[in-house]
This record gives sequence, C-alpha cells and structure tokens, in this order.
Amino acid sequence: EAGVVQSPRYKIIEKKQPVAFWCNPISGHNTLYWYLQNLGQGPELLIRYENEEAVDDSQLPKDRFSAERLKGVDSTLKIQPAELGDSAVYLCASSPGPTGADTQYFGPGTRLTVL
Amino acid sequence: DAKTTQPPSMDCAEGRAANLPCNHSTISGNEYVYWYRQIHSQGPQYIIHGLKNNETNEMASLIITEDRKSSTLILPHATLRDTAVYYCISHNQGGKLIFGQGTELSVKP
Repeated sequence: EAGVVQSPRYKIIEKKQPVAFWCNPISGHNTLYWYLQNLGQGPELLIRYENEEAVDDSQLPKDRFSAERLKGVDSTLKIQPAELGDSAVYLCASSPGPTGADTQYFGPGTRLTVL
Repeated sequence: DAKTTQPPSMDCAEGRAANLPCNHSTISGNEYVYWYRQIHSQGPQYIIHGLKNNETNEMASLIITEDRKSSTLILPHATLRDTAVYYCISHNQGGKLIFGQGTELSVKP
C-alpha cells in the first residue's frame, strides 16, 4: 500500500514569492492534515480536512496561507507571499476518519527554504 | 489533549532493549497513548498506541501503568536504525496530534 505522497521534497524560493505544496493521502483516508515543523520542534497542526471540509483551520495564518482539498482526495497548501520565517518542513498526514482507528500516517514532508 | 513529559535524550547499546519512559499524569479516560518516531529528514512514523492494556506489534511494546499516568515504549533489540526522536502523545482520536519535544534516542555500536 502506498503511503502519503508529498511533492516537492525540497523548495528554495526568495521572500515575497508564492509557493505551493501538494499532498496525496493514503487511498480511502477521509481525513487529511497539514502540519508545520520548525527546526528542533515537534510538528504543529495548520489545518485538518474531513473530506472536502476544513474542520479545523484555527492555526492557519490566513493572511498568507491557504489550502484546498477540492475533491476530497489530494490537497494543496499555498503561501503567498512567503516570508523568511516560513522556512520549515511542511508535513501532510492522513487517517481513515475521525472516529474509530484514527492513527495518522505522515508523508516525508516538503522542506521550504525562503531566502 | 493531555500534556506528556519525556526525557530529552537517551542512549542505548545496539542489540539491547531501549526503554523510553513517558509521563502523562493528567490523561483523561478517553485519551489513547500514541508513540511516533522521527528519523532525521523524514516524516513522523507511527509506532504503536494503546488505551489501558499493554500492546505489542512488530516494532515495539507499549507498557501502560494501571493508573494510566505513565507508559514505557520498549524496543526489544535496538539497532542503529532506531536512532530517532521518539514522541509520546496522549490523544483522544480525532483531531490534531500535539507533539512535545520528544526523546532523542541514540543507539550506539
């Protein structure tokens, strides 16, 4: 079974430029998460989707960050414009659903460097 | 989700058992104990979880005290590839995982 797929794995951009990250969850997983991981810290949730609906986006900086999951499968996270402080690893995770066995499985992450 | 406390670092000799402790004294009755690990430059990897009973899978064993205020993750025969940051998380299934600082385990030859 394929795991969570993310692309690109690495991205280097200049500040004020836009950037987008893509995630394809495990097949059949209805819940999708985007986490942010700063160097030396544990991941922190940015947004959680149940199918197409964003059910928790309280930690998403909405002035510059946006996300979508149009068909309830893959998802895109965008930053526009990027700032120096956005340099981090962006992790995508998926789980079968909000009840029952809710183990989250993570992708390899996208490492963003903003110059 | 309840807060967990772990030692910042531990060493283990290759081939020996690694016992990683976690304190979760404020855990509530419906919260599970989850363990993940993160090897350098990779995403977190699920290891095991449990509610009340001890659990074992192909990767590790999880021992939860009877009062559920602490637990221990056991890697029975640590290898160099087990060197990673190990996170203990108390979680009520559904919603976000709250990661702490974790324990940096170094397995040495």
